[in-house]
Amino acid sequence: DQQVKQNSPSLSVQEGRISILNCDYTNSMFDYFLWYKKYPAEGPTFLISISSIKDKNEDGRFTVFLNKSAKHLSLHIVPSQPGDSAVYFCAASTPNTGNQFYFGTGTSLTVIP
Amino acid sequence: DTAVSQTPKYLVTQMGNDKSIKCEQNLGHDTMYWYKQDSKKFLKIMFSYNNKELIINETVPNRFSPKSPDKAHLNLHINSLELGDSAVYFCASSHTGKAAFFGQGTRLTVV
Repeated sequence: DQQVKQNSPSLSVQEGRISILNCDYTNSMFDYFLWYKKYPAEGPTFLISISSIKDKNEDGRFTVFLNKSAKHLSLHIVPSQPGDSAVYFCAASTPNTGNQFYFGTGTSLTVIP
Repeated sequence: DTAVSQTPKYLVTQMGNDKSIKCEQNLGHDTMYWYKQDSKKFLKIMFSYNNKELIINETVPNRFSPKSPDKAHLNLHINSLELGDSAVYFCASSHTGKAAFFGQGTRLTVV
């Protein structure tokens, strides 16, 4: 069963606009959430994280929002740049499983110049 | 310097063979992982290991076994390879409870 879901397989955004990537989870024990970016033929690269005690974390153009009651998190990229075009994965972990990270299926973001 | 490196990057082998993929991290992390990315691009945890415990995902066949000679290495051994084992395998490492850093992946093709 998939505990972390990304329901949008793809997203296209104009350069300079906001990109919003969404993620839902089912396990209420998750306490740490992350976003990764992946280019073809490379490993995932860590972008930003948030712990369950917060509802927002910001790092430059990237902001992650966490809504625990809805079991939902989102990644906002503002402004979007062509170099942001990649597959974005959300992930979650809980200490109960040795801090293993459970990944969503990914959203392919295309930023159009 | 590469933080998490795995070798080889590509591996083509015949069914029934035994193969290993090596992973090394120079980040001083205490936990290492193996992930499998299948044909649908889904990243699935296989193992996590630190010097205290090995946690095995229950869906991983026992033909797969991690071997850790020291804290900086976690190698993946696969016995009796099957066609369905073809995938990209990623090694990763982290401090316990922190973000994981991934290697570049090993594309395994079983023919």
